[in-house]
Amino acid sequence: EAGVTQFPSHSVIEKGQTVTLRCDPISGHDNLYWYRRVMGKEIKFLLHFVKESKQDESGMPNNRFLAERTGGTYSTLKVQPAELEDSGVYFCASSHPGQGAETQYFGPGTRLLVL
Amino acid sequence: AQSVTQLGSHVSVSEGALVLLRCNYSSSVPPYLFWYVQYPNQGLQLLLKYTSAATLVKGINGFEAEFKKSETSFHLTKPSAHMSDAAEYFCAVSPPGTASKLTFGTGTRLQVTL
Repeated sequence: EAGVTQFPSHSVIEKGQTVTLRCDPISGHDNLYWYRRVMGKEIKFLLHFVKESKQDESGMPNNRFLAERTGGTYSTLKVQPAELEDSGVYFCASSHPGQGAETQYFGPGTRLLVL
Repeated sequence: AQSVTQLGSHVSVSEGALVLLRCNYSSSVPPYLFWYVQYPNQGLQLLLKYTSAATLVKGINGFEAEFKKSETSFHLTKPSAHMSDAAEYFCAVSPPGTASKLTFGTGTRLQVTL
């Protein structure tokens, strides 16, 4: 069974540009999460999808961040326009519905550097 | 609101020595607790989890953790460190029950020396 995959693995962009991160969850996992780790700080929750619906988006920092999960499969996280403080590692995680849904499986992350 | 405190951002042990990584949590209800490990250039891997069953939880690679409600702690231990244990370890908490966000500690980087 394939794990959670994320693309790209690294991205270097200039301030003001747009970047789109993609996450493919484990097949059959209805729950999809985005997290971010800014250098030297803790991993912080951004939002949670259940299928295509946003269950909890309380961690989204501002309206420059837009997450989508059309069709309830893969998800994208767009940052537009990017700012210096958006640099960090963006993790995606997924979990299956029902029993054991508390266990989240993480992808390798996308390392974003905004110059 | 829930929170996690990991004491010690860096811990160094000798190969073969006991590993003890500390985690204390704050939660209004007994939470679910997790330890994840991140090896260099990899994603987060679940080591073990506590979901209100046995208080002593055994995980992968010889790690275990004990949930102590009276101390609000969930410390991670391994009797004998191996060089391959060098990584960053994260303690996390979530509300009990269904799928919900994880709240992480700041992480502890474990160094294993010869």
